[in-house]
Amino acid sequence: AQKVTQAQTEISVVEKEDVTLDCVYETRDTTYYLFWYKQPPSGELVFLIRRNSFDEQNEISGRYSWNFQKSTSSFNFTITASQVVDSAVYFCALSEALLDAGNMLTFGGGTRLMVKP
Amino acid sequence: SQTIHQWPATLVQPVGSPLSLECTVEGTSNPNLYWYRQAAGRGLQLLFYSVGIGQISSEVPQNLSASRPQDRQFILSSKKLLLSDSGFYLCAWSVLVTSPNGVMSEQFFGPGTRLTVL
Repeated sequence: AQKVTQAQTEISVVEKEDVTLDCVYETRDTTYYLFWYKQPPSGELVFLIRRNSFDEQNEISGRYSWNFQKSTSSFNFTITASQVVDSAVYFCALSEALLDAGNMLTFGGGTRLMVKP
Repeated sequence: SQTIHQWPATLVQPVGSPLSLECTVEGTSNPNLYWYRQAAGRGLQLLFYSVGIGQISSEVPQNLSASRPQDRQFILSSKKLLLSDSGFYLCAWSVLVTSPNGVMSEQFFGPGTRLTVL
């Protein structure tokens, strides 16, 4: 069975601070996919990134960066120089096979990030 | 481009009343479709998914049901709502994409329906 744990339920930072959201996963499969989604107050889930288990290269996109480490089964998300607009709930998710095969995402419990001005 | 619609956006229903939430996808064919529920202050729970017309898989036994009468239409229903059915319901669809890392898949979510059962 697969499981995703986001131990931080809520994080509060002051604008311009860097913040890292932790994600630890469990899976028995050697091929799997990891995702991060952002849920702003409006409720809609916004896709941020996907990563397959064979690609451990870290990724940077603007102020966002992701650190994938198979050795520790972690896929952490860092926001550099946080802004008030980054305030949202962030979900980490795992899929053990291609979604198009009918398999679903397993979500972590989410981390609520509050960025104060 | 692909678009996913959900309606209604918000709904307040009394306990014991029926429910019908609709989700439609535009701009793609034969997508996988999903229904998730997010209870207040909690994570997302997969309720149903469908790989084709008339094909529904249930992940959580409950008083909800789903149907897929058309390729791009996914309906969530209940004959009698419970208080515990309150939550934020999200529809999603998935498609394969080809990237330098190989064939991958990602899931796109609709705007959601906020259901309050009183």
